[in-house]
Amino acid sequence: GQNIDQPTEMTATEGAIVQINCTYQTSGFNGLFWYQQHAGEAPTFLSYNVLDGLEEKGRFSSFLSRSKGYSYLLLKELQMKDSASYLCAVRDSNYQLIWGAGTKLIIKP
Amino acid sequence: IAGITQAPTSQILAAGRRMTLRCTQDMRHNAMYWYRQDLGLGLRLIHYSNTAGTTGKGEVPDGYSVSRANTDDFPLTLASAVPSQTSVYFCASSRGPEDEQFFGPGTRLTVL
Repeated sequence: GQNIDQPTEMTATEGAIVQINCTYQTSGFNGLFWYQQHAGEAPTFLSYNVLDGLEEKGRFSSFLSRSKGYSYLLLKELQMKDSASYLCAVRDSNYQLIWGAGTKLIIKP
Repeated sequence: IAGITQAPTSQILAAGRRMTLRCTQDMRHNAMYWYRQDLGLGLRLIHYSNTAGTTGKGEVPDGYSVSRANTDDFPLTLASAVPSQTSVYFCASSRGPEDEQFFGPGTRLTVL
């Protein structure tokens, strides 16, 4: 079967750094996405990795290791507005996205 | 219109009734998708369309149907609603199947 695992919830402090991990087992791999979803809102695109390594975009970075079936999203200089759920999704061999249940990130002052 | 719109925003429906959720995008995206999101579960694909005139089944298609008569619109129909279809429904679109998906604001559906 296909499976995406992420921690259910994480807590971090404003101004700090947090790493959200995602491991996957899917039928084929055609890229990994990270989305942010604030409570009651739609998911919005954050990052995309298809090759191994780190992709940096401002305060957010995403890393991929295809051999390990592993990715992480790194958030730096945390702000209160970063409190949200972070969704990991893998595009499988049929070009469909398989989604993890999301990690709820709570930022404390 | 800018992006993707969905209607209604929320709906309470009696079991057994027929319901169509509307989705319209103005980005001229070829691909469109319907997902449901339930607490504790990831987004699950119901149906998709890679281009106007074609549709495909996702992970959880039973009890739902779609049509794609043109590029902009992708309605989702529940022929006879059941309580297990209570969920938040998101429509999304992308330029192509290989591109990032943009999501509509969602429809919160309650079936009693």
